[in-house]
Amino acid sequence: TQLLEQSPQFLSIQEGENLTVYCNSSSVFSSLQWYRQEPGEGPVLLVTVVTGGEVKKLKRLTFQFGDARKDSSLHITAAQPGDTGLYLCAGGNTDKLIFGTGTRLQVFP
Amino acid sequence: EAQVTQNPRYLITVTGKKLTVTCSQNMNHEYMSWYRQDPGLGLRQIYYSMNVEVTDKGDVPEGYKVSRKEKRNFPLILESPSPNQTSLYFCASSFGTGGLNQPQHFGDGTRLSIL
Repeated sequence: TQLLEQSPQFLSIQEGENLTVYCNSSSVFSSLQWYRQEPGEGPVLLVTVVTGGEVKKLKRLTFQFGDARKDSSLHITAAQPGDTGLYLCAGGNTDKLIFGTGTRLQVFP
Repeated sequence: EAQVTQNPRYLITVTGKKLTVTCSQNMNHEYMSWYRQDPGLGLRQIYYSMNVEVTDKGDVPEGYKVSRKEKRNFPLILESPSPNQTSLYFCASSFGTGGLNQPQHFGDGTRLSIL
């Protein structure tokens, strides 16, 4: 069974701080997606990375896919209260996505 | 507006009483799936469907059934619900096979409580 472990599981920080969330697996994935989920809603896609070593930026969020395509990281610069939510990574193969365990981020003003 | 619609959003019921959670998408997506979300376990796939009349088990299919008679609809059926099926359920859809590079579009979830 393919598993994706995310760390940390919980993160509480002050506005303006930087943070990094990690997504690790022993399996190789063809692509890696990151989603953000807010209370009462379904996850919403932030980014998809498909090439080993690929880095994508979305405003203050930087996503990286590991060279071996087994891991990924999400770095947020100068976090804002609006970044609060549950962050999920998901590894893709031919017919399914495997979701990570999630990182719950709380950013305080 | 492109969306995935689940109903009901909330349901409290009792053990053994059959229930159906409906899911409908208006994006003409081939791939649809059901997930359950439990604290500390992330999203786990229950069943998926690659197209009409094609369904397959995900990682946690026990106690659930699905059908895909039309492209837009993918209902989740609990024939005899039990308390361990209390969870937050999400339906999702995407183009293609649902894996490689395909973003999943999620509904807003159904919170199910089985007493």
